[in-house]
Amino acid sequence: GQSLEQPSEVTAVEGAIVQINCTYQTSGFYGLSWYQQHDGGAPTFLSYNGLDGLEETGRFSSFLSRSDSYGYLLLQELQMKDSASYFCAAGSARQLTFGSGTQLTVLP
Amino acid sequence: DADVTQTPRNRITKTGKRIMLECSQTKGHDRMYWYRQDPGLGLRLIYYSFDVKDINKGEISDGYSVSRQAQAKFSLSLESAIPNQTALYFCATSDRSPTSGRLGEQFFGPGTRLTVL
Repeated sequence: GQSLEQPSEVTAVEGAIVQINCTYQTSGFYGLSWYQQHDGGAPTFLSYNGLDGLEETGRFSSFLSRSDSYGYLLLQELQMKDSASYFCAAGSARQLTFGSGTQLTVLP
Repeated sequence: DADVTQTPRNRITKTGKRIMLECSQTKGHDRMYWYRQDPGLGLRLIYYSFDVKDINKGEISDGYSVSRQAQAKFSLSLESAIPNQTALYFCATSDRSPTSGRLGEQFFGPGTRLTVL
């Protein structure tokens, strides 16, 4: 099975950079995904790391270190619309296991 | 039109009633999943299916059953609903191909908010 730990809340100001960390304990680990969910809405895929290192997609980047069982999501140039919950998810060959989520609040 | 649809979007029912939540997708994906989400918690996997004849239990399958009627349709049933099944339910799909480079990408429906009184 898998278990994941991430902070429950993070607050930052508009224009700043924020990092959301995720540690995992796994069996059959393939890679780490990140999802964004606005209040009660559908989770949407942000990024996936199958290999160690950094993946960049616009203002968002995600990092994975398999040796440390650790990853993070980096959000740059924060905007008010980035206020949402962010979930890391550990993937095996058959399924994803989600963390409990980090509520990001972006202040003006 | 949305790629993954769920019906109903909201449902209020009473303890002991049988409830069916339906999911349809037009993405052509083989893999479909049912999750529930409780406040302050992440998504927990109830059941998943890799094709019509391949149904698997997830982390929290007790009290639930599923039916994969076709590649595009995956239904979740609560045989006898109880109040602690009050939650937000999501259906999701994914592509089977490991070479897509997007093993971790699932596409979610809009969710069904279920309240059991």
